[in-house]
Amino acid sequence: DSGVTQTPKHLITATGQRVTLRCSPRSGDLSVYWYQQSLDQGLQFLIQYYNGEERAKGNILERFSAQQFPDLHSELNLSSLELGDSALYFCASSVAVQGANNNEQFFGPGTRLTVL
Amino acid sequence: LAKTTQPISMDSYEGQEVNITCSHNNIATNDYITWYQQFPSQGPRFIIQGYKTKVTNEVASLFIPADRKSSTLSLPRVSLSDTAVYYCLVVRRDDKIIFGKGTRLHILP
Repeated sequence: DSGVTQTPKHLITATGQRVTLRCSPRSGDLSVYWYQQSLDQGLQFLIQYYNGEERAKGNILERFSAQQFPDLHSELNLSSLELGDSALYFCASSVAVQGANNNEQFFGPGTRLTVL
Repeated sequence: LAKTTQPISMDSYEGQEVNITCSHNNIATNDYITWYQQFPSQGPRFIIQGYKTKVTNEVASLFIPADRKSSTLSLPRVSLSDTAVYYCLVVRRDDKIIFGKGTRLHILP
């Protein structure tokens, strides 16, 4: 158990819909990262937050947005869903001194999103 | 952004030492080399990180030559449970993180 929790574990929805994925980092970790993993694309970095502020941005679509709240939990919002958005979505957290992302990341169990 | 290249897949046998090499020709001065392990349907798990020379922990060793343009993850005496995907990352302090496709390691009995 990494100490990172993600909800829900599974999510099935239809094209065009909007969903919210939630992540609670390990106690004391200020940085949260979101990743998407699909069969053909491998593990893709989406975005990093540090203590509520966006820190680094990867290949995150405009239809996707994220935020980190004052209690440090984070949410990833996916809208206008397409079939190709079906994937495993992982959240990770790290100590990340001053927001640096070269620290060990602890990954949650993931949310499996299926878009029908 | 430092790009990494590693073998797509490798096979080995139980009890053998496995070495997975990763090349990162455009690594920058402040970049760290990090390796993660991932089992199917699970999040990646940190294995080891290094900057130069050799780093060893209870799971693996990481060898980094002086020019830092490559690194080798060494897994001693592998078992069937080491079958997984291994990712080599070159992590820059304030930049996006690239995992790549990783190396699928298959351990045979």
